[in-house]
Amino acid sequence: AQSVTQPDIHITVSEGASLELRCNYSYGATPYLFWYVQSPGQGLQLLLKYFSGDTLVQGIKGFEAEFKRSQSSFNLRKPSVHWSDAAEYFCAVGAMEYGNKLVFGAGTILRVKS
Amino acid sequence: EAGVAQSPRYKIIEKRQSVAFWCNPISGHATLYWYQQILGQGPKLLIQFQNNGVVDDSQLPKDRFSAERLKGVDSTLKIQPAKLEDSAVYLCASMPGGAWNEQFFGPGTRLTVL
Repeated sequence: AQSVTQPDIHITVSEGASLELRCNYSYGATPYLFWYVQSPGQGLQLLLKYFSGDTLVQGIKGFEAEFKRSQSSFNLRKPSVHWSDAAEYFCAVGAMEYGNKLVFGAGTILRVKS
Repeated sequence: EAGVAQSPRYKIIEKRQSVAFWCNPISGHATLYWYQQILGQGPKLLIQFQNNGVVDDSQLPKDRFSAERLKGVDSTLKIQPAKLEDSAVYLCASMPGGAWNEQFFGPGTRLTVL
């Protein structure tokens, strides 16, 4: 069965520090990979996506992610975190072979300390 | 371009009552999804429509949940009767038809069952 694991439930970083959020997946097909961000009381906003090609993808708000097929990972990174980045981040995986459905991880809550 | 609209934004009901949620997807988007997001978890797919037909409802609790998408545009999700464990945020998303693409999410409806 398809699954997505975000090992860190909470992460706290200092403003200006670098950030890496982990995502691992288990899929029997070529995956499409997404990172979404959700602020309290808000819907999900897409940060970036990987369909094919260059395995390092750039997203909005200065985020990037790298697809590593050998490790089944799609980790999200940002070189310098801003206080406004505090939110919950979800990794999601889909595949056409599974009917264009997304499977989400449980999310990682990011706290930013000043 | 207008986003995915959902109403109501909040709903509080007693257990065993019924409730309905409405979703208006982005114009022209053929695929519509309903997700359930329980506090502390990632969104879980309930049902997927392609135009006005159901593609996948394998995770929809059909004894109490129902959904329809008349004319392939708006959709409603109904719960009858509600249980305490139905307390969650219900997210609607839409996606252009054809090949795999990004899903666009609405703001969600937060349901509290007392």
